[in-house]
Amino acid sequence: EPEVTQTPSHQVTQMGQEVILRCVPISNHLYFYWYRQILGQKVEFLVSFYNNEISEKSEIFDDQFSVERPDGSNFTLKIRSTKLEDSAMYFCASSADNTGELFFGEGSRLTVL
Amino acid sequence: QKEVEQNSGPLSVPEGAIASLNCTYSDRGSQSFFWYRQYSGKSPELIMFIYSNGDKEDGRFTAQLNKASQYVSLLIRDSQPSDSATYLCASNLIRGGFKTIFGAGTRLFVKA
Repeated sequence: EPEVTQTPSHQVTQMGQEVILRCVPISNHLYFYWYRQILGQKVEFLVSFYNNEISEKSEIFDDQFSVERPDGSNFTLKIRSTKLEDSAMYFCASSADNTGELFFGEGSRLTVL
Repeated sequence: QKEVEQNSGPLSVPEGAIASLNCTYSDRGSQSFFWYRQYSGKSPELIMFIYSNGDKEDGRFTAQLNKASQYVSLLIRDSQPSDSATYLCASNLIRGGFKTIFGAGTRLFVKA
C-alpha cells in the first residue's frame, strides 16, 4: 500500500541551528502539507503546497520556515534558526486532490535544546 | 475564534456500546469534513469523510453532518477496546488556497 515516508524520525538540534525535514509523498499525489503537533496539543496546520507553490500558510509559518519540492519526489520543510518552542512532531501529508483526504507520514520528532 | 471545536473528553464507554463524538466548526465556507483517528504516538489516520448534509455509514462508523448548525458527529457502534484513541475532527476550506484544519480531538476509552 502506498505510503508517505518521512526522515528523520527523530532529530535533536541546538537552538539557532537549521533543520531540514524530508518527506516523500505518495507518488500520484499532487497536494502536500506540513503540520506540527506539540506534545499533548492539537495538530496544527503549517502550510499547503501545490504546483510548486505555497497555497495557504498559517500564522505559525513565519519567515523562519520554508518548503520546497526540489526534485519532483521529495517535499521538504526547512526551519532556518530553530527555537526551543519549535520542538514538536512534524507531520507531512499528501492527497490526490484538495478536498482534505490526507494521508500522513509517521512524523519527524524535532527536539531543540 | 477556534475554527474546529471538540470536547477533549475523555469519553469512556463500555465495550459493545455506541460512542458518540461531536464537533462544531466556525467557517460556513468549509466544504468537507473528516474524522481521523490518532493512536498515542502515531500519526492521524483517516476513517471517515462527509461532504453532504445527512448521514454516511461505513461499517461500524456513521458520520453525520448538519451544515445549518455547523455540526459534525461520529458514531461508533459496537465499540471495541482497539477503538481507544483520540478522534480528530477536521474541516477543509478552499478559498483561493486550500487548507484542512483539525480540532483538538476527543480522547475515547473503550473499557473491556
